[in-house]
Amino acid sequence: DTGVSQDPRHKITKRGQNVTFRCDPISEHNRLYWYRQTLGQGPEFLTYFQNEAQLEKSRLLSDRFSAERPKGSFSTLEIQRTEQGDSAMYLCASSSTDQGGGYTFGSGTRLTVV
Amino acid sequence: DAKTTQPPSMDCAEGRAANLPCNHSTISGNEYVYWYRQIHSQGPQYIIHGLKNNETNEMASLIITEDRKSSTLILPHATLRDTAVYYCIVRVVGGSNYKLTFGKGTLLTVNP
Repeated sequence: DTGVSQDPRHKITKRGQNVTFRCDPISEHNRLYWYRQTLGQGPEFLTYFQNEAQLEKSRLLSDRFSAERPKGSFSTLEIQRTEQGDSAMYLCASSSTDQGGGYTFGSGTRLTVV
Repeated sequence: DAKTTQPPSMDCAEGRAANLPCNHSTISGNEYVYWYRQIHSQGPQYIIHGLKNNETNEMASLIITEDRKSSTLILPHATLRDTAVYYCIVRVVGGSNYKLTFGKGTLLTVNP
């Protein structure tokens, strides 16, 4: 296992287009998280899955955002009708049932909306 | 909002120890102190965590004051590859406490 994989690494899209990102967590991890990071800021929590269930969504996640984790494996984050303010790094992380260890983050998908 | 305060930046000479401070004066009794770092264009990387005892692993040492209101992350022999933003985070472990609340962190620059 090579860790958390995110695809694509970079995405440039025109305002108004839809985009979808994929995250493949560490296979034995049942928890999956999405974060967003803008320039000069720390990552901000977006949403959390335990297995296939989405248990929390941040207020940052507007109606244009949707995340899924079918079968509790990989996850997708879709942004509809992208806006320039959506430009950011989208980070995925995974962990096993919380016993205090650290989370493993992917390298992120950098989205640029032009 | 982040419950920790860190200096925005620090410099360190290569080969010397890097001591990164973190203030968490409002920490609760059941909150752990976590450290992550983020190298440019990568995701955050877990370094170490602790509750009240000092901790050491292959990457770093974590020193927590007796009153738990502050801590120091120590990189014993900093290398150029340790240049990164270091985040100090406090969180409760277990149950529904899964969110990491990041502040702006400390940009550590290791100079040759």
